[in-house]
Amino acid sequence: GAVVSQHPSRVICKSGTSVKIECRSLDFQATTMFWYRQFPKQSLMLMATSNEGSKATYEQGVEKDKFLINHASLTLSTLTVTSAHPEDSSFYICSVTSGGLREQYFGPGTRLTVT
Amino acid sequence: GIQVEQSPPDLILQEGANSTLRCNFSDSVNNLQWFHQNPWGQLINLFYIPSGTKQNGRLSATTVATERYSLLYISSSQTTDSGVYFCAVEYPGSGNTGKLIFGQGTTLQVKP
Repeated sequence: GAVVSQHPSRVICKSGTSVKIECRSLDFQATTMFWYRQFPKQSLMLMATSNEGSKATYEQGVEKDKFLINHASLTLSTLTVTSAHPEDSSFYICSVTSGGLREQYFGPGTRLTVT
Repeated sequence: GIQVEQSPPDLILQEGANSTLRCNFSDSVNNLQWFHQNPWGQLINLFYIPSGTKQNGRLSATTVATERYSLLYISSSQTTDSGVYFCAVEYPGSGNTGKLIFGQGTTLQVKP
């Protein structure tokens, strides 16, 4: 399966600042990347679908101006949390897939804490 | 949208015991995956199984698509099996986007 990395693994930021999270597909050309958010003791909730070279598609209830997604290449997608607030504290996970491949492969996640 | 329900929500086993985890879904699916989320949060692919039966070591899975359920079997459980097990489905109504809908998970604790 694909090897996916995320950076940083853990970040603490102050309220009102912006944070960028990178998702890299290390051995796999990912035409599609997904971003999920997971609160403690809960399941994964899909935030957005990102196709290489085009605008991301956001799920209902996810603010696209707050969670900026860029998928500039087949190996890199970024999620920027703008003007972060404590309620944005969560575990953010990306996944990758490609073309006719149906399986998704997940990164190790980024734990964001906003103080 | 599709509903994905997993049972049981929590499970405690003694090392060496066997278990069956269930995933029910409310509509036809064209993709079903089982994952294990370890204590550090990493999701590990266990099975891609939209239908049929697969086995990998001590784990096996069966999906009966016509009856809208999937089962994950864990035999001779080990403490390293502890964590949360998720099933996730993609359904045709999502427009072939590849989007996965996750169940709420089964939290497994294996005691030595």
